[in-house]
Amino acid sequence: DAGVIQSPRHEVTEMGQEVTLRCKPISGHDYLFWYRQTMMRGLELLIYFNNNVPIDDSGMPEDRFSAKMPNASFSTLKIQPSEPRDSAVYFCATKPSEQFFGPGTRLTVL
Amino acid sequence: GQQVMQIPQYQHVQEGEDFTTYCNSSTTLSNIQWYKQRPGGHPVFLIQLVKSGEVKKQKRLTFQFGEAKKNSSLHITATQTTDVGTYFCAGQGADKLIFGTGTRLQVFP
Repeated sequence: DAGVIQSPRHEVTEMGQEVTLRCKPISGHDYLFWYRQTMMRGLELLIYFNNNVPIDDSGMPEDRFSAKMPNASFSTLKIQPSEPRDSAVYFCATKPSEQFFGPGTRLTVL
Repeated sequence: GQQVMQIPQYQHVQEGEDFTTYCNSSTTLSNIQWYKQRPGGHPVFLIQLVKSGEVKKQKRLTFQFGEAKKNSSLHITATQTTDVGTYFCAGQGADKLIFGTGTRLQVFP
């Protein structure tokens, strides 16, 4: 198994642009989590899904952030419009019990 | 809401010295998990503790769950440079984990 796959691994964009981060979970894992990690705020849970259904999006910072999971094999996290303070590493993780993290997407918004 | 705090925030040790990080929850936990994140990497699961007072060992790492299931510790004996990274505890809250603030360990050779 390739593990959790995230793309892109690095993204540099300008303020105001739309950013889409992608995640392919491990097959058979019915939970999917999106996290954001920064030095200042640590590891923050943004949203999670169970069987493709969003369960808790209370961590999504603003309406500029949205996440979807159209099927069990794919999820996206979109930021529109992006701002410099969105710069962070975004992780996708899936679980049966313990969480398996993807390699992350390092986002830089200029 | 539920919070999980870790101390210390940073720890610098000489190779061969011991290291301990402590995790405290504001509420009783059903279980606690520990993760390690190498610099530039992603969190990797180390272990899960479920029972009150449980102690588990992985080579030089010893994990303990408090009797009240509100605190936990990770102790590394005789640190090595490969132990460098950030160690997170995470308390189980319903479906999701509440991650601690992490302890960053630096080991000097």
